[in-house]
Formats: sequence, structure tokens, C-alpha cells
Amino acid sequence: LAKTTQPISMDSYEGQEVNITCSHNNIATNDYITWYQQFPSQGPRFIIQGYKTKVTNEVASLFIPADRKSSTLSLPRVSLSDTAVYYCLVGDSGGSYIPTFGRGTSLIVHP
Amino acid sequence: GAGVSQSPSNKVTEKGKDVELRCDPISGHTALYWYRQSLGQGLEFLIYFQGNSAPDKSGLPSDRFSAERTGGSVSTLTIQRTQQEDSAVYLCASSLQGTLQETQYFGPGTRLLVL
Repeated sequence: LAKTTQPISMDSYEGQEVNITCSHNNIATNDYITWYQQFPSQGPRFIIQGYKTKVTNEVASLFIPADRKSSTLSLPRVSLSDTAVYYCLVGDSGGSYIPTFGRGTSLIVHP
Repeated sequence: GAGVSQSPSNKVTEKGKDVELRCDPISGHTALYWYRQSLGQGLEFLIYFQGNSAPDKSGLPSDRFSAERTGGSVSTLTIQRTQQEDSAVYLCASSLQGTLQETQYFGPGTRLLVL
């Protein structure tokens, strides 16, 4: 199972774009990259998933370079409500099923 | 439809007592996970159930921890002879088939405090 490394914390201000990068140097060919968001006192929830290049949904964008050894979650124009912990998870569709969430990145958005 | 539910939402117990935590997964989801999250920490995998297969208990921290899943649906996590270091939020998640490509749907968690 590919190990991931993320910054422990980040600070931003309302209206700014936030980019959180996750390193996964030993990602396997079949591994997908999934990001979860966790608000205080809640369980994590799915944000976005990708395999390569770029994925965009109504919440975020996910950028994955050609070598797939890292990925960047991009949150456009953050608001106070985006203050949360963001987890990067790497895994495949048929192999290991034991997830490793790590400590995630704690994002604090300031007014 | 209904999401993953957990009960109780909060539990305060005394050291040495046994506790049972319950998880109701999303109907039709064959995979169920239990995690533990200590204050300021990430999610620690505890145990995984998939269909009728034997559960993967590799994440359980000690033999005081056990879990069962009856009828492929509801799951109970039991902690015997609780210790203060067991204080944490216990999260349950379910997914359709249990691969890491799938979205895991989490419950709100049970906050356990051992005095």
C-alpha cells in the first residue's frame, strides 16, 4: 500500500485558492488517489478521486502529474466553512483494502 | 437514503468497565470498517468486514478489542476492561464492496471517554 505524505497544517484567508499536495512516491499502477474532508466532530467525507491528469467537480480540482508520484488538491476561493482536515488516500481497485489515512492536513481559513 | 449511523454518540465509562459501540452501515454495503481517532490524530484502522469473509483484525490494538458483524449488516465493537488510553472517537464506515477505489461513507462517530 502506497504511503502518503502531506503537510500537517496550512493557513489561508477567505477568497484565496488553496493547494494541498500529497506525496505518494511508491504509488502502484492500479492505485487511485482519493481525498477526504473531515469537519470537527464529524466523520470524513469523500471530496474527489482521480487516476491521472486532472479531475474537477463542484467542490475541488485534483491535479496529478504524469509520474503520479504526487497529487494536488485545489480548493478555489475558500471560505471559513472549508476549515477542516484533508486526507489523501491511495489504493487500488483489487488489492489491499486496508486504508491508511494518516494525520491529514489541517486547513484553517481566516476571515 | 439513510447514511451510516452509530450509537451511542457519546459514552463515558469508568476504567475497567466494558463498552459496546454499534454501527449501522448503509443498506446493501458489504464492507464495513472500524477506525479510532485520538485527539488531534489521524484515523487508525482497527478492523474490516467484507461480506461473509473472515474479518481482518490486524488493526486491533489489543485482545481487549473485538468486533462482530451480524447478518452482514449491523456491527458491534466491544472494548473490555477499558483503559484511559482507549478514550477516542470511534468511527465506522461502509462501502459497497470494500476496495480502496470506492467511496467510504462514515458515520458521525462515538466519542468514548474513560475516566
